[in-house]
Amino acid sequence: EIVLTQSPATLSLSPGERATLSCRASQSVSSYLAWYQQKPGQAPRLLIYDASNRATGIPARFSASWSGTDFTLTISSLEPEDFAVYYCQQRSDWPLTFGGGTKVEIK
Amino acid sequence: EVQLLESGGGLVQPGGSLRLSCAASQFTFNDYAMHWVRQAPGKGLECVSAIRSNGYITYYADSVKGRFIISRDNSKKTLYLQMNSLRVEDTAVYYCAKVIYSVGVFDGFDIWGQGTMVTVSS
Repeated sequence: EIVLTQSPATLSLSPGERATLSCRASQSVSSYLAWYQQKPGQAPRLLIYDASNRATGIPARFSASWSGTDFTLTISSLEPEDFAVYYCQQRSDWPLTFGGGTKVEIK
Repeated sequence: EVQLLESGGGLVQPGGSLRLSCAASQFTFNDYAMHWVRQAPGKGLECVSAIRSNGYITYYADSVKGRFIISRDNSKKTLYLQMNSLRVEDTAVYYCAKVIYSVGVFDGFDIWGQGTMVTVSS
């Protein structure tokens, strides 16, 4: 099973600041990684698919990149609605797995 | 609007059974593989099961293999999860999710249902 390790577990930032979230895979997943945002009581929402492609309707302040087994999600300038939990997910092999999540909270 | 709507959750005793349903609308259901993903209270996300668009090939997490059965009725645009021999650790919100691409099963999920809560407790 491919393990995804997200860091940090919690990120405390203020609106307008830049957020950088990391996800490391235990083995190569190529570019087959997605990022999701989840708010309390809601289903996850797809932000990024295949490592760097923004999903439909996702604002340009969300961007992502990758190198080897290291993946990064960047929110260029946090808006109030961006404070949430973020998960990465690999689709390289079954079982599809998620990282443990990074909570972006208001400082 | 593309939508998934789950139903069938509830409270069940350990060892009991439950069948979840997921009704799809506003997309060509039989073109896409579908998944069930669960989230235990306060915890992360776990892919539980998946099924190809034609329903002939299925996948299960080790944690549910032999106990859960995924199926679909493309004529009714509905996905199912039959859960047997339920355990306390199966307590979670269960989401159905649609894959992004119409080819393949291993994919990200662009559409999620609202989730249905399953509680296994005596």
